Amino acid sequence: QVQLEQSGAEVKKPGASVKVSCKVSGNTLSELSIHWVRQAPGKGLEWMGGFDPEDTKTIYAQKFQGRVTMTEDTSTDTAYMELTSLRSEDAAVYFCTTGGYKWEYILNWFDTWGQGTLVTVSS
Amino acid sequence: EIVLTQSPSTLSLSPGERATLSCRASQSAGNLVAWYQQKRGQAPRLLISHAFTRATGVPARFSGNGSETDFTLTISSLQPDDFAVYYCQQRFAWPLTFGGGTKVEIK
Repeated sequence: QVQLEQSGAEVKKPGASVKVSCKVSGNTLSELSIHWVRQAPGKGLEWMGGFDPEDTKTIYAQKFQGRVTMTEDTSTDTAYMELTSLRSEDAAVYFCTTGGYKWEYILNWFDTWGQGTLVTVSS
Repeated sequence: EIVLTQSPSTLSLSPGERATLSCRASQSAGNLVAWYQQKRGQAPRLLISHAFTRATGVPARFSGNGSETDFTLTISSLQPDDFAVYYCQQRFAWPLTFGGGTKVEIK
């Protein structure tokens, strides 16, 4: 059974960058399609991007294009999401989640989630 | 972008009552819609996929219905554990989108 363990809370100043990690256990990261979803305080869920198994590439929501980078370190089974040029509106809980297996060649549903990482942006 | 509009935003009901939540898509999402439950301070939990397929371990009182642009999540008899926020999500087209959520609260 896949489990996702995320890194701890972060406090950043406006303009800084944050890098959140998501450690996979119960399977290997290289097989999984990892996605990132964020949730601002008291707000709904917002998809940021993730791996598209059909086109075998990482796809980002247009809103975050140019500011977000999602990477994988298969040697440690850890996925990363880096967001740059932080502003107050980026304060949120960031979740990693699995969208199935890369070898399925089609995105699946988000059935496993990390516990979330709180990112605070404050001067 | 497929915009998902959930209604109502808040549903106030008593335990044992039936809850009906709506999710309307701005364009066809086929049957590629899921429902998630989220409790305070927790990650979302997948309840329903492909519009009507219950995820593993989800009680039978949860059911999903609909296709194309209109989807419904029904909780046949609310249990204390069911009071939470529910989100719909589509994966018919990029970007993936979520609805704004419906909070089911105790009346």
